[in-house]
Amino acid sequence: TQLLEQSPQFLSIQEGENLTVYCNSSSVFSSLQWYRQEPGEGPVLLVTVVTGGEVKKLKRLTFQFGDARKDSSLHITAAQPGDTGLYLCAGASSGGSNYKLTFGKGTLLTVNP
Amino acid sequence: SQTIHQWPATLVQPVGSPLSLECTVEGTSNPNLYWYRQAAGRGLQLLFYSVGIGQISSEVPQNLSASRPQDRQFILSSKKLLLSDSGFYLCAWRYGRLFGELFFGEGSRLTVL
Repeated sequence: TQLLEQSPQFLSIQEGENLTVYCNSSSVFSSLQWYRQEPGEGPVLLVTVVTGGEVKKLKRLTFQFGDARKDSSLHITAAQPGDTGLYLCAGASSGGSNYKLTFGKGTLLTVNP
Repeated sequence: SQTIHQWPATLVQPVGSPLSLECTVEGTSNPNLYWYRQAAGRGLQLLFYSVGIGQISSEVPQNLSASRPQDRQFILSSKKLLLSDSGFYLCAWRYGRLFGELFFGEGSRLTVL
């Protein structure tokens, strides 16, 4: 069973601060996705990273895929209250069937105004 | 455009009663379909996935079952609910290709009393 460990589990910061959340595994993934979820709703995709070492930027969010494709990070610059939510990483199985996505337990981010 | 709907949105059921959650996708054909459960607003646990009509893969042995009677319909069922079945159930679909995004439904909140 492939496991994704996310850290920290909870993060509460002030508006304007920077933060980084991590997603780690002992397994190799063919791709890794980051989702953001608001209370009572389904998760929404933020980004997909595919190549080891890949860096993608989405406005104030920067995503990085580890060289060995076993880990990823999400960095938010100058966080805003609208960034509040549950951030989930999900890995697609490497080799064989690519049908399954394994999710981490998430990082619950609260940005206080 | 593609849409996904699941219902009911909220359900309160007594222990031992049956369950049926439905999910339908519109605007696409032969999607991969998924049922996830989310406990206490945290990580998503994959329950079932399906790559075609009548094809169901179970990830976790439990009190639940799934069926796919039509290409774009996915049903989650139980004959007798347990207290531990309470949670937020999410249906999702994905194109059957590498690195595809998961599109989630609105979720169904189940409380078993």
